Amino acid sequence: AQTVTQSQPEMSVQEAETVTLSCTYDTSESDYYLFWYKQPPSRQMILVIRQEAYKQQNATENRFSVNFQKAAKSFSLKISDSQLGDAAMYFCACFTTSGTYKYIFGTGTRLKVLA
Amino acid sequence: EPEVTQTPSHQVTQMGQEVILRCVPISNHLYFYWYRQILGQKVEFLVSFYNNEISEKSEIFDDQFSVERPDGSNFTLKIRSTKLEDSAMYFCASRVGTGGPETQYFGPGTRLLVL
Repeated sequence: AQTVTQSQPEMSVQEAETVTLSCTYDTSESDYYLFWYKQPPSRQMILVIRQEAYKQQNATENRFSVNFQKAAKSFSLKISDSQLGDAAMYFCACFTTSGTYKYIFGTGTRLKVLA
Repeated sequence: EPEVTQTPSHQVTQMGQEVILRCVPISNHLYFYWYRQILGQKVEFLVSFYNNEISEKSEIFDDQFSVERPDGSNFTLKIRSTKLEDSAMYFCASRVGTGGPETQYFGPGTRLLVL
């Protein structure tokens, strides 16, 4: 069975600073994808970034980047130059390319951005 | 940009009543999903649907739940006799499933409150 663990229920960062959100996962599959989703107060799920497990290069998307450590099964999200609009719940998710490709989500990290 | 839509955005119902949550997935997508998020908790997989039948369902998806694609565009989740613990945000998601990017695109959610 797959599991996704986010050990930080809440994090705070000063505006314009950098913050890293942690995620570890466990899967027996060799082919899988990892995602970070943002959930603002509206509760809509917004894709932040994705990483294919077969790619060694860490994904980046503007101010967002990941540190993907496949051997350690770690997938952290770095947010640079934090903005007030980044305040939200962040969910890490994993799914494999076998079966029906459902997401397994972590419990989330609430990010607060301080002005 | 194409998006997944869901109606209604909010629904309040009495315990024991039937509710139908509606979703319009992205038009060229072939795999459809329902997820649930109880307030303050993580997003949980309910069911996946492909080729007009359920591909996989979780233990949450008991006989009170059903899904169908009645007209080739809508994808519905029916809860036959709602319970208090069904109060949650329900997300529909879809993905291409034909070798394209494996990202699932989420709808904005339906907030269900059972009284």
